[in-house]
Amino acid sequence: RKEVEQDPGPFNVPEGATVAFNCTYSNSASQSFFWYRQDCRKEPKLLMSVYSSGNEDGRFTAQLNRASQYISLLIRDSKLSDSATYLCVVAPRGTGNQFYFGTGTSLTVIP
Amino acid sequence: DTEVTQTPKHLVMGMTNKKSLKCEQHMGHRAMYWYKQKAKKPPELMFVYSYEKLSINESVPSRFSPECPNSSLLNLHLHALQPEDSALYLCASSPLVWGTEAFFGQGTRLTVV
Repeated sequence: RKEVEQDPGPFNVPEGATVAFNCTYSNSASQSFFWYRQDCRKEPKLLMSVYSSGNEDGRFTAQLNRASQYISLLIRDSKLSDSATYLCVVAPRGTGNQFYFGTGTSLTVIP
Repeated sequence: DTEVTQTPKHLVMGMTNKKSLKCEQHMGHRAMYWYKQKAKKPPELMFVYSYEKLSINESVPSRFSPECPNSSLLNLHLHALQPEDSALYLCASSPLVWGTEAFFGQGTRLTVV
């Protein structure tokens, strides 16, 4: 079983739509959680960290459910520029900061 | 300076060649990483260095040899690679502070012929 799993999509949504991505992780020792965004042929870039109480950054909202080992990302009012692959990342407690990536979810926002 | 710089950006090498990938950061991060990414797949962790010591080797074949000469530099030495090793190689760094994110370089796109 993969450490971190995501629905690969693709998600094709119209501009202005709300879209949600889900991610599950298998290692209950996982302690830090992030959403990264990766554009085609570019490096991953941090979108937002995910905190236990949930957090919001503009149109983006991240939630964490430790009991279900589940992370979510909600994007409201989708823009064309949101088209990218969204990667869920978890870091288990251990030596150094090991960052393990989910399979990624592809989003295309259509005009 | 919040950049991780990787060189070269592109590399084509033969299966008998020896080459090195280089990574540099000046953010004072004491953890550095190598990841491998194949097309349409997520990055896969290869190596982790903490305080310039190798702390994680994710069962990577010995034809990949990492080196951390100092706290700002990370190298990946390549020898006798196979065509299936062609991929994007990403370097990352992070503070050794719990809960902080990793910063990625732009990667080296490697083609083995």
